[in-house]
Amino acid sequence: EVKLEESGGGWVQPGGSLRLSCAASGFIFSDHYMDWVRQAPGKGLEWVGRSRKKGEGHTTEYAASVTGRFTISRDESKNSLYLQMNNLKIEDTALYYCARVGPPGIDAFDIWGQGTKVTVSS
Amino acid sequence: DIQMTQSPSSLSASVGDRVTITCRASQTVSSDFNWYQQKPGKAPKLLIFGASTLLGGVPSRFRGSGSGTEFTLTISNLQPEDFAIYYCQQTYSTPLTFGGGTKVEI
Repeated sequence: EVKLEESGGGWVQPGGSLRLSCAASGFIFSDHYMDWVRQAPGKGLEWVGRSRKKGEGHTTEYAASVTGRFTISRDESKNSLYLQMNNLKIEDTALYYCARVGPPGIDAFDIWGQGTKVTVSS
Repeated sequence: DIQMTQSPSSLSASVGDRVTITCRASQTVSSDFNWYQQKPGKAPKLLIFGASTLLGGVPSRFRGSGSGTEFTLTISNLQPEDFAIYYCQQTYSTPLTFGGGTKVEI
């Protein structure tokens, strides 16, 4: 079964840090771009950033709202994607999803995790 | 950044109805365009990619059309399980952007 499972969410004070993980299974992790998408309570979807596959140097890109504060990384040996979040702000409160970009021809998020909740509050 | 504007933001419909949701991009996205469905408490689910290709397993009552800047999702013969929020997305350029969502309710 193709699956993504996020973990690491929780409550943190403004200015704090949190590291989210996304464990992938059932597919060749190294063949896919992997992204993070978030959804603030009662709001729509916001793209956070991307990790390209090994063959493209694992390069990353970020939304302007998180650039300089968030870092995406991946460990191919563990089939895992990570999101290191520093200097968290109240507006970072959201459900964070990891999502797989589909195989060639499917330039879309074809697999999503269930999400992990991040609450930034004093 | 490419802005995606969805309309309407919500609509009321009945089982058996045909509904149409529109998404407009602030600049061309070619056919790098997708539709997702999200039900309460669940992750979004990909329905249509490349503007008009149904993902395997998606019922044929869902139809996507358009290219460039104007796109449409049509759901024919609305079923109870179709009541959800629908989001459009462009993957033409980063930052990837989503529309604000359309809530389809009874």
